[in-house]
Amino acid sequence: QKEVEQNSGPLSVPEGAIASLNCTYSDRGSQSFFWYRQYSGKSPELIMFIYSNGDKEDGRFTAQLNKASQYVSLLIRDSQPSDSATYLCAVANAGNMLTFGGGTRLMVKP
Amino acid sequence: DTEVTQTPKHLVMGMTNKKSLKCEQHMGHRAMYWYKQKAKKPPELMFVYSYEKLSINESVPSRFSPECPNSSLLNLHLHALQPEDSALYLCASSQDPGRGANNSPLHFGNGTRLTVT
Repeated sequence: QKEVEQNSGPLSVPEGAIASLNCTYSDRGSQSFFWYRQYSGKSPELIMFIYSNGDKEDGRFTAQLNKASQYVSLLIRDSQPSDSATYLCAVANAGNMLTFGGGTRLMVKP
Repeated sequence: DTEVTQTPKHLVMGMTNKKSLKCEQHMGHRAMYWYKQKAKKPPELMFVYSYEKLSINESVPSRFSPECPNSSLLNLHLHALQPEDSALYLCASSQDPGRGANNSPLHFGNGTRLTVT
């Protein structure tokens, strides 16, 4: 059973702070890792993807991957109230079949 | 706005109705997907089309019938649904169906909110 685990939250951070979202996965054969943002009632929106160990930065977002620890994280710097959403971690195998975590609800308070 | 277009945005249907959900992408993507998402749950994979051929069916009941008329279009035909099938139905596409590593991301449409009465 391939599993992707996330803390459901809510994770509450003040505006301007760094939000740290974490995800672990069970399948060591996982190849690709994605973070999606989903606002209530809307569809998932791709935020970041990462393939190799280390950090990948895009604007205020940094994805971190550690395959040895089977751990992937998303950091959001200078968090804004508009970042309040559910963040879904997704892990893909060689066939590009995604397994989603349950999502972490982030609340950024003004 | 997403580059994957789904219609209709909302659909209410009775258990004896037949309806279809439509999805279109013009990004030249060769893999297309149907996902189902219930409230406060992550998306669940239903079907995968790879190069216009059905490659994965995640044991979905036959009352859901997918169709891929061409590389840009994906339909989901619905018949004799149950109230528990009410959910957000998401279409997604990716550049390719999987290369073994560095898989291309899935891009989701805005979804169809389906209510079965």
